[in-house]
Amino acid sequence: KAGVTQTPRYLIKTRGQQVTLSCSPISGHRSVSWYQQTPGQGLQFLFEYFSETQRNKGNFPGRFSGRQFSNSRSEMNVSTLELGDSALYLCASSPKTSGELFFGEGSRLTVL
Amino acid sequence: AQRVTQPEKLLSVFKGAPVELKCNYSYSGSPELFWYVQYSRQRLQLLLRHISRESIKGFTADLNKGETSFHLKKPFAQEEDSAMYYCAPDISNFGNEKLTFGTGTRLTIIP
Repeated sequence: KAGVTQTPRYLIKTRGQQVTLSCSPISGHRSVSWYQQTPGQGLQFLFEYFSETQRNKGNFPGRFSGRQFSNSRSEMNVSTLELGDSALYLCASSPKTSGELFFGEGSRLTVL
Repeated sequence: AQRVTQPEKLLSVFKGAPVELKCNYSYSGSPELFWYVQYSRQRLQLLLRHISRESIKGFTADLNKGETSFHLKKPFAQEEDSAMYYCAPDISNFGNEKLTFGTGTRLTIIP
């Protein structure tokens, strides 16, 4: 089975712009979670989607949003980018709402 | 309040020495507990989960409900163990967020 695929792998944006990141989960996995990884904060939970519904949301401002499509693919969007949004954004999928997560390689966002 | 604590951000151990990576959690109930590992230039992956009671790559983790700890141990460190390790309880069944990761411990094995 193909693993979790995230695109783009690297991107550079400027403050005030917006960005959309994409995640294709492992075939058959219906749960997709997003995490922000930074050296200082470690891994912080953004949100989780299951069957196109947002199931849980972390403590991030409303500039961070996401959605899931009927084929389980997910996107996350960050509007009005700030310098502090520079991070590695990880997507993870799982076949159900609990248990092991399978991670993608991440999308590294740099905000200038 | 911090709900998963990995007190050591950095840990250096000599090859062949024992390794212990600490993890404490502060949840009521009995969450399922995981250790994830991220080797250099590789994706984050599951190392082990407490319910399986397995030894993976020589690592074991014992759940201590009294101390609410889930420390990761290996009797003899190997150079390939150098990586970032995250403790993660699964509290999704408690109506909360998905896996909540600790801040991680970077383990360096000194040859």
